[in-house]
Amino acid sequence: DAGVIQSPRHEVTEMGQEVTLRCKPISGHDYLFWYRQTMMRGLELLIYFNNNVPIDDSGMPEDRFSAKMPNASFSTLKIQPSEPRDSAVYFCASSATYREISYEQYFGPGTRLTVT
Amino acid sequence: AQSVTQLGSHVSVSEGALVLLRCNYSSSVPPYLFWYVQYPNQGLQLLLKYTTGATLVKGINGFEAEFKKSETSFHLTKPSAHMSDAAEYFCAVSGNTGKLIFGQGTTLQVKP
Repeated sequence: DAGVIQSPRHEVTEMGQEVTLRCKPISGHDYLFWYRQTMMRGLELLIYFNNNVPIDDSGMPEDRFSAKMPNASFSTLKIQPSEPRDSAVYFCASSATYREISYEQYFGPGTRLTVT
Repeated sequence: AQSVTQLGSHVSVSEGALVLLRCNYSSSVPPYLFWYVQYPNQGLQLLLKYTTGATLVKGINGFEAEFKKSETSFHLTKPSAHMSDAAEYFCAVSGNTGKLIFGQGTTLQVKP
């Protein structure tokens, strides 16, 4: 099993540019999560999907952020326009549900985003 | 509602000493509890989990944790710290919402 795959691993962009982060969850997992990690704010849940449907996006910081999951094997997190304060490590994670209980999440290696 | 509190944002131990990282939780449903470790520049990796059954659970790298319902605790321990244990550790609780609630993390420093 390849685990959760994220791309790119590193992204450096200029303020105002559009940034797209990509995630491929583990096959068979029905939950997908996007997190952001910074020194100041720690690990924050941005949004999560169940069976490709967004369940809770209350953690998305503002309208500049959007996430989609067009199918069970792919999700994107887009920032448009990007700002320096968006610099962080973005993690994608997935999990499987059994008897309506979600088990442990498996994290990808993260995308380190730097906005200059 | 669920919540997790990790006591101590930084813990420092000497190599060979006992490691104890504290985690208390709040949950309105029977909790599933997890400990994750994050090494520098890496994603979170599952150390161990409690779902049902035996309250003392063993994980990777010699770590274990005990679920104490009466104390609403799930502390992480390791008898003898190794330099390679230096990392950030996260406690998390899962209920029936599909998501994990993470604590703020504890950075473990291991001194030679």
